[in-house]
Parts: sequence; C-alpha cells; structure tokens
Amino acid sequence: AQSVTQPDIHITVSEGASLELRCNYSYGATPYLFWYVQSPGQGLQLLLKYFSGDTLVQGIKGFEAEFKRSQSSFNLRKPSVHWSDAAEYFCAVNGGTYKYIFGTGTRLKVLA
Amino acid sequence: KAGVTQTPRYLIKTRGQQVTLSCSPISGHRSVSWYQQTPGQGLQFLFEYFSETQRNKGNFPGRFSGRQFSNSRSEMNVSTLELGDSALYLCASSLSPGGTDEQYFGPGTRLTVT
Repeated sequence: AQSVTQPDIHITVSEGASLELRCNYSYGATPYLFWYVQSPGQGLQLLLKYFSGDTLVQGIKGFEAEFKRSQSSFNLRKPSVHWSDAAEYFCAVNGGTYKYIFGTGTRLKVLA
Repeated sequence: KAGVTQTPRYLIKTRGQQVTLSCSPISGHRSVSWYQQTPGQGLQFLFEYFSETQRNKGNFPGRFSGRQFSNSRSEMNVSTLELGDSALYLCASSLSPGGTDEQYFGPGTRLTVT
C-alpha cells in the first residue's frame, strides 16, 4: 500500500538559515510526488511536483526538492528561509489511482 | 481566474444532525476531490468526482457521501454527525482525475460538531 512519512512534526529554523524537510514514501513504482504548503486558515498551495525526468525539481517561493529513488525520498529544501515561510508543509504521493496520500505534515517555525 | 470556493466557511452542528458542504471548482476543471483534515489523522482522502461520477472513495463510513453536478460543482453530505466529524473539509479541483494534474485547494469549511 502507498504511504508517506514525514518524520519531523515540528522544525524550527532561524531566518536566513537553510531548510530541509524530509519525506519518505512507500510505493511499488515511481509515484507522482508533490509538496504542498498550508498557511493558517488557508487551503493547500502546491509548491512543486515530480512526475519524471530531472530528479531535482524547482518550485515556487525558492523551494526545490530532490527525488532519490534509492532512498524512496523526496526532500524539500530552501537555501535561505524567510519569516513568511512559517507554515505547515505536506508531502503527497499519487500512484495514478485517483487518490492522493498525504504525509502528516511538518510545521515550520521561523525565528527572527 | 477565480479559485476554488467553498461554502460555508464555518459551520456548527449538533450530534445527529446532517450537513451539506459545497465546492465550486475553478472554471474548466472537471475533477473535484474532498479531504478531511484533523489534527490527529492529518489529511485523509474522502472521494473524487469527475464528470458527475465518483471515481474513487477513501475509507470513510457510508455517512459520508457526495455528488457532482453537470457544472462540476460538488457537494458532500455527512449524515448523523458525530463529534469526531469535527474537522476542516477541503475541496480540490483539477482538470482531470488520476493525480497527474495539479490540484487546486479551496480554503476549506471548518465544521464543529457539538
């Protein structure tokens, strides 16, 4: 069965520091992979997605993610975090079965 | 173009009542998915509709149902509400089903069951 694991429930970084949010998935083949961000009281916004091809994917707001098949991972990174990046981040997979599976989310706190 | 809209944004109901939530997708999008978000369970897939047909359903009891109209607007209904149904219900639309197209999420409906 498909599953997504985000091992870090909370992460705190200082503004200007680099960020890496972890995501591991379980799926028989290469699924479609996504990262979404949710600000308080808001719906989810897509940051980036991976379907195939180049394993380093660029997204909006300066985020990028790298797909590593050998590690079944799709970690999200940002070189320099801004205070406005404080939000909850969700990794999701879809194996083409009309159903998304979301991770439990990582809540990011940014210190000024 | 306008985003996904959900109505109402907030709702308070009593146990045993039923509730209907509405979702209007982005113009031109024919696929609508519903999710339940709670602090304990995270985001869980409820069902997806495309061209008025339910394409897939998550692991929720039959009290949760939905439908889609010819204009792609969708409604979900929860009957015999339980306290555990308190959650943020998110709707997402996409051009087509299957997960290859980006899903655009609405702001959600916050349901509180007392």
